Amino acid sequence: DAKTTQPPSMDCAEGRAANLPCNHSTISGNEYVYWYRQIHSQGPQYIIHGLKNNETNEMASLIITEDRKSSTLILPHATLRDTAVYYCIVRVAGGGSNYKLTFGKGTLLTVNP
Amino acid sequence: DAGVIQSPRHEVTEMGQEVTLRCKPISGHDYLFWYRQTMMRGLELLIYFNNNVPIDDSGMPEDRFSAKMPNASFSTLKIQPSEPRDSAVYFCASRRSGTSGRALSYEQYFGPGTRLTVT
Repeated sequence: DAKTTQPPSMDCAEGRAANLPCNHSTISGNEYVYWYRQIHSQGPQYIIHGLKNNETNEMASLIITEDRKSSTLILPHATLRDTAVYYCIVRVAGGGSNYKLTFGKGTLLTVNP
Repeated sequence: DAGVIQSPRHEVTEMGQEVTLRCKPISGHDYLFWYRQTMMRGLELLIYFNNNVPIDDSGMPEDRFSAKMPNASFSTLKIQPSEPRDSAVYFCASRRSGTSGRALSYEQYFGPGTRLTVT
């Protein structure tokens, strides 16, 4: 699996956009980028995933650079409830053992009032 | 949908005792995962099942840990005997295999976790 690098912590003002970076310079062509988050005392929650095109859903947007060596998760209007640890995971799509997720240390995003 | 259900939510036990954690996956999901989370080691995958069959248990720390899935709606993780270093939050997650279309989703649905304290 491609290794990911994320800043350990970030702050964001409530109502502003939160931009969380992830480096995955060793990503291979068939590996997807996935984002999960974990709010304190809860289980991780899936946010979004993508291969090479930018993706958007009701929770966030995912911007992947053209060379796919890095990506940014964007929470367009952060709220206090978005305070959580955000995990960037790179994994090959497919069945069997490819369903395993390896969580790193992630980024602790703190949204301030 | 009730989501992934885990019980108990909190467990405090003494060293040497047997501990059994329980999980009910989301109906229709054919993959089930057990994770352990500690401050030191983060979130680690212990074992996962597909169609009730254990597929990969390489993350199980030692023989004191065992997991079963007797049917599609129930799984247990047992620690016998328990030790203080087993203190952690244990998460169960499930997912449905494969999708047609553009990409296979890796969306796993996690339960609320069981916080285990071994004294």
